[in-house]
Parts: sequence; structure tokens; C-alpha cells
Amino acid sequence: KAGVTQTPRYLIKTRGQQVTLSCSPISGHRSVSWYQQTPGQGLQFLFEYFSETQRNKGNFPGRFSGRQFSNSRSEMNVSTLELGDSALYLCASSWKEGAPGANVLTFGAGSRLTVL
Amino acid sequence: KNQVEQSPQSLIILEGKNCTLQCNYTVSPFSNLRWYKQDTGRGPVSLTIMTFSENTKSNGRYTATLDADTKQSSLHITASQLSDSASYICVVSAGAGTALIFGKGTTLSVSS
Repeated sequence: KAGVTQTPRYLIKTRGQQVTLSCSPISGHRSVSWYQQTPGQGLQFLFEYFSETQRNKGNFPGRFSGRQFSNSRSEMNVSTLELGDSALYLCASSWKEGAPGANVLTFGAGSRLTVL
Repeated sequence: KNQVEQSPQSLIILEGKNCTLQCNYTVSPFSNLRWYKQDTGRGPVSLTIMTFSENTKSNGRYTATLDADTKQSSLHITASQLSDSASYICVVSAGAGTALIFGKGTTLSVSS
């Protein structure tokens, strides 16, 4: 059974650019949530999607957005990149509807973004 | 303010020894507490999930405890192995699970 797949694994961008990250959940999982991990702040919740609808959102600026497709695959987008956006971006999937804190999450390996 | 604090920040132990990692939280209303293991370059993997009514849960050589009165949790690792070298992250879920509050993790290094 394939796990959660995130692409790309590594990428480098410059300030002001935008980036799109992709997450393919475990087959049958319909909930996808996104997290930012930095050495200073640790892991922080970005948002969660279920059935193509954003259900929960963390405390991040509007430059961070996401969407989910009918096949449950999800993308997140960061526009107007800042140096502080350099981080490991993780997605997690769950089969059950409901908030991330109520379900068992399976994480992907992450996409490491470096902003120069 | 909802917070999760972990200690120590880092820890080095010899292979075969036991160790205990601590997690203190100020999260309300409490829903559940999770411990994750994150290997370098990988995503976190769930070790245990405990609700308010559970005070001990084991997963192989990992045993988590929860004291909901003092708002403390610990993760005890028995007979450590080199493969236990990783970051261990305590996560507390608030309310109906809509808020996940992460600790910054404890980095464990097991040496031979």
C-alpha cells in the first residue's frame, strides 16, 4: 500500500516567486492536511481539506492557500515568497472525515523549500 | 494561550539504556495527546494517541503516560537502539480536534 507522496522533495526559489507543492494521499483517504515545519517554530498547522472543501485553517497569511481535487490529491500554493517561508512542508492524510486532531494521521516525507 | 513544551531539547544516551522524554501542556479544552517519531528527512510517524481517560499506552519499547490533572505526559523508551535516534514530538489536540498544538520536539541521539 503506497504511503503519502509529496512532490517535489526539494526546491529552491527566490523572494517574490510563488511555489506549488503537491500531495497524493493514501488510496482511500479523503482528508488531507498541511503543516509547516521550521527549526524555530516547529510544526504548525496550515489547513485541512476533505471532499474538496477546506474544513479547518491555521493562523497563516493569505499568501498560503490550497485546494483538493476530486481524486483527493491536494496542492498548496505560497505566493510572494519571503525568506521566512523556507521550511519543510508536510502533508498528512486520513481516511476519516473530521478535524486533524480527531483522526490518525499518516504523514508524507515532506517538501523542503528554500527561499533565497 | 495553548502551549506544548517539551524537555529536554536534546538528549544523548548509550545504546541499551532507557530514557524518558517530557511534555507539559496548557491546552484547553483537551481532546487527545499524541507522540510522534520523526527520523531525519522523513515525516512524523505516530507512536501513541491518548485521550483524557487513558493514562498509559504502550507501543513496543515505547510507553507513554498521561496525567491530565497536572497536564503532563512522558514517553519512556526501553532498551534503546541506534534506530531510536530521531526527533520525538508531542502534539496536543484541543476542542473537537480542530486545533493541533505541536511541541518543538526532543532530539534523541543513541550512540554505540
